[in-house]
Formats: sequence, structure tokens, C-alpha cells
Amino acid sequence: DAGITQSPRHKVTETGTPVTLRCHQTENHRYMYWYRQDPGHGLRLIHYSYGVKDTDKGEVSDGYSVSRSKTEDFLLTLESATSSQTSVYFCAISESGAAGGRNEQFFGPGTRLTVL
Amino acid sequence: GNSVTQMEGPVTLSEEAFLTINCTYTATGYPSLFWYVQYPGEGLQLLLKATKADDKGSNKGFEATYRKETTSFHLEKGSVQVSDSAVYFCALYSGSARQLTFGSGTQLTVLP
Repeated sequence: DAGITQSPRHKVTETGTPVTLRCHQTENHRYMYWYRQDPGHGLRLIHYSYGVKDTDKGEVSDGYSVSRSKTEDFLLTLESATSSQTSVYFCAISESGAAGGRNEQFFGPGTRLTVL
Repeated sequence: GNSVTQMEGPVTLSEEAFLTINCTYTATGYPSLFWYVQYPGEGLQLLLKATKADDKGSNKGFEATYRKETTSFHLEKGSVQVSDSAVYFCALYSGSARQLTFGSGTQLTVLP
């Protein structure tokens, strides 16, 4: 199994509070991703990173920010949590972003976030 | 944009039955194609992949062939087991978009 951990694994918070989720990898992979999983939607990309301090937006980035100050850590912040951000959040990593390359993604165990 | 359409679930089969989960895609260029599996309470695990037309990915008795002419990547298994009960996701990766696009998932339940 790829060495990916997420913390916390479960969190309940109140509307309007800031929340930070952490993804940590031990594989030294260049690419890291944050997804959210909601019923009927599969997984949707929030943000991704292609290197330290290099990040870009995904499909559903509004209300989220990310930071990557070290290769191994990728943080997802909900600046002011809303009930619509109640979801399961998954981190993923990959060696490459190139077509046809080692672009398969490996996923962490997920964080279940509930915003009341 | 890129999109993946997969067979709606849930799918319920008896043990040792033949499984097909359909997946079709829309993409520019030449995407890589994947099947992921998610067991209850867990993250997604890569099941198999194919990176070019006519490639066949296989793992744990599951197979899928990259068909460019029909833009499909159907998942098959000849004889399912109870332990195969999970949610299966078809996905494509486009190098130009730098992201995985997922289908909505198909819940499979295998009964003994």
C-alpha cells in the first residue's frame, strides 16, 4: 500500500469555522490531489499540486484553499465551513502527471467531515 | 470537457456469476483509463489500468480492454465472489487536464 495518511479521520465542526485537513505521504511523489466524494457524484477534484508551492484549481475549488510547503504534506483548508462542504475528503498521490506515464493515483483512507 | 459514464447500479449477482460493468468516456487526445474499487469504509484502490488503444488491463480476475473505436472500457470478471462486493469506479486521466475524471460509481453486491 502507498504510504498515505490523512488527519483527522473524522471531524465535526460548526458552520463558519475554519477547518484544515492534512495529507501526508512517504512515497516522495511529486503530484498530490484533494477530492471530495458525495453520493451520485463519484469523486470530484478540489485542488492539486504538481510540486512544492505549485498548486492549481480543480473542478470544485470554491471555498477551499491548499498549501504545499514540503513534498510530503498537502493541506486543505476550508476557510469558513458551510453545510454544503459536509463530505468525505480523499487525498491522492501520483508520480507523474504526464499522459501515458506513471500517472495512476493512489488514495488515502479519507476524512469524514460533518459541518453542522 | 472530459466525462465518464458508467452503468448505473446497484448490481446484485449470485456468487460465480459473470460480471460486466459498462463504462464509456468522452475525452480529447489519448487518455489513460482506470478502474478503481472502494470497499466499505475505505479509500479507493487501483484495480487495473490501460494506457493506449487495445491495451487490456487485468488484476485479480478482472479485465478491461481500452476500445478507442467505441470509447469504452468495460469491466468484466468471469466468476464473482462475495468478497468482490464493493463500489467500482471507472476513471480517465488526461495529461492536458492533469486530472482524473471519475464516473459516478457502481455498487456491486454478490450474494452467497
